[in-house]
Amino acid sequence: SQTIHQWPATLVQPVGSPLSLECTVEGTSNPNLYWYRQAAGRGLQLLFYSVGIGQISSEVPQNLSASRPQDRQFILSSKKLLLSDSGFYLCAWSHQPSSYEQYFGPGTRLTVT
Amino acid sequence: KQEVTQIPAALSVPEGENLVLNCSFTDSAIYNLQWFRQDPGKGLTSLLLIQSSQREQTSGRLNASLDKSSGRSTLYIAASQPGDSATYLCAVLRNTGKLIFGQGTTLQVKP
Repeated sequence: SQTIHQWPATLVQPVGSPLSLECTVEGTSNPNLYWYRQAAGRGLQLLFYSVGIGQISSEVPQNLSASRPQDRQFILSSKKLLLSDSGFYLCAWSHQPSSYEQYFGPGTRLTVT
Repeated sequence: KQEVTQIPAALSVPEGENLVLNCSFTDSAIYNLQWFRQDPGKGLTSLLLIQSSQREQTSGRLNASLDKSSGRSTLYIAASQPGDSATYLCAVLRNTGKLIFGQGTTLQVKP
């Protein structure tokens, strides 16, 4: 069966510090991978998606970037965090192309102070 | 631009009641629609997926319907239990694989 992991589970970082969040998927190959952010009082917003190694599409201009160095690894980064980057970050995967049903990880709670 | 709306934003019911959560979307050109459950501080759990060619899907006490022409979906929960308390999110999928989420309905089932 497939499993999706995210770490860390929680993170508190000062403004201006760098960020690296990691997501890995087990039990499948060549998945679509997604990064979402859920901010307080706002819905889930798609940030990045990837259909393959090195292939990243950005949905929203922002202070963040994403990379996919391996087939089942997806990384969300920032060089300098802003207060507005605080939120709950969720990674998801889906088969491609099939039904595109998405399966979500446990999330990372990021607080920028 | 696709927009997804969920009504009500919050709902409190006594245990055992049947209930309906509503989801509406503005663009009927969807690939499928997915209902999720989110417990506080946790990730999303997929409950039901309805393909655009389908009218409904059932899993246990849950039944989801889809009416593409009117841009509506409902999630029916039968015989609600306190363990059903959570936030329920609907999301429509475009053919690019991108999910557009509603704001969610927070359900509280009182014992």
